[in-house]
Amino acid sequence: RKEVEQDPGPFNVPEGATVAFNCTYSNSASQSFFWYRQDCRKEPKLLMSVYSSGNEDGRFTAQLNRASQYISLLIRDSKLSDSATYLCVVSRSMEYGNKLVFGAGTILRVKS
Amino acid sequence: DTAVSQTPKYLVTQMGNDKSIKCEQNLGHDTMYWYKQDSKKFLKIMFSYNNKELIINETVPNRFSPKSPDKAHLNLHINSLELGDSAVYFCASSQDLGGPHNEQFFGPGTRLTVL
Repeated sequence: RKEVEQDPGPFNVPEGATVAFNCTYSNSASQSFFWYRQDCRKEPKLLMSVYSSGNEDGRFTAQLNRASQYISLLIRDSKLSDSATYLCVVSRSMEYGNKLVFGAGTILRVKS
Repeated sequence: DTAVSQTPKYLVTQMGNDKSIKCEQNLGHDTMYWYKQDSKKFLKIMFSYNNKELIINETVPNRFSPKSPDKAHLNLHINSLELGDSAVYFCASSQDLGGPHNEQFFGPGTRLTVL
């Protein structure tokens, strides 16, 4: 079983739609959680950190459920420019520092 | 003003050759990483260095040898290239090793194709 699992998609949605991605992680020692965005043939970039209380950044809302080991990302009012792969990432504390573990990503395609 | 840069961007080579990929960051970060993203898009850490010291070596074949001449540079040398080494290699950096919300900044990637 992969440490971080995501539905690969693709999610094909019209502009203006609301779309939600889910992610589960298997290691209960995971400490920190993130969503990264990766455009086609580009590098990953941090979209947002995910906090236990839930957090929002404009049209993006992230939620964390530690009991269920589940992370979500909600995108409201989708734009064409939101088309990308969304990577769920967890951070584990190791003796030497933190290690990031990436999911394989969920593909989002927003169409006009 | 690229924060994390890598060269070359594309690398096509024959099996058995030796090649190097260079990475530089101008963010003043202490920690640098190499990741491999294979055809299934999984991004997996290979190595991390903190202030020129090797911290993480994730059971990577010893044909892969990272070298950090200073904390702004982390190069990756690969000996005796194999078909399975074909992937995109990303360099990344972060301020330091600790901190639960330590953002990592990625370079543009090097697409390696082994023929």
